[in-house]
Amino acid sequence: EVQLVQSGAEVKKPGESLKISCKGSGYSFTDYWIGWVRQMPGKGLEYMGIIYPGDSNTRYSPSFQGQVTISVDKSIGTAYLQWSSLKASDSAMYYCARTTGFGVAFDPWGQGSLITVAS
Amino acid sequence: SYELTQPPSVSVSPGQTARITCSGDALPKQYAHWYQQKPGQAPVLVISKDSARPSGIPERFSGSSSGTTVTLTISGVQAEDEADYYCQSADSSGTWVFGGGTKLTVL
Repeated sequence: EVQLVQSGAEVKKPGESLKISCKGSGYSFTDYWIGWVRQMPGKGLEYMGIIYPGDSNTRYSPSFQGQVTISVDKSIGTAYLQWSSLKASDSAMYYCARTTGFGVAFDPWGQGSLITVAS
Repeated sequence: SYELTQPPSVSVSPGQTARITCSGDALPKQYAHWYQQKPGQAPVLVISKDSARPSGIPERFSGSSSGTTVTLTISGVQAEDEADYYCQSADSSGTWVFGGGTKLTVL
């Protein structure tokens, strides 16, 4: 069974750094892109960016370029989303999802990681 | 920036047909995909490439495309179909974009 399992909920203070993870299993991790999607409380889905574990090729949505960093450790089948300095507005649910390429559907999705940033 | 437009809400009675639209200028050139999201759950793909139904998705879910509009149709709506539905496509550079989402209410 293809699965993406994300790291757990986090509560952080503004200005702190954070790295959340997404571990793939049940398929060849290096053959599929992993994308990240934000969902703010009560709002819709927003595409953040994507990475190809095979060569670490990374693309960001213009809205998130410079705001987050996407990385991967293919040796352990895990993709990451990180912030160097969190803001309260980063509080949201973050999902990872698998895709075969640009314009192709995301399937499956991870269960989500809830990030709360508050002083 | 490129936008996909969905109605905020659609309401239908059980057994009726629900149609959720998604409009975007690039849709004639790019595939659209549809996701179902129930409260507290991750999105699930229900239609890919305009009209392909993934394995495990009930036959009552179907998709179609006409010009700049794609439509998700749920025939014989059941109470369990109440959820938020999102369309997804790509802009001219291939960057993914999501529609604003449609809340389907089963009366």
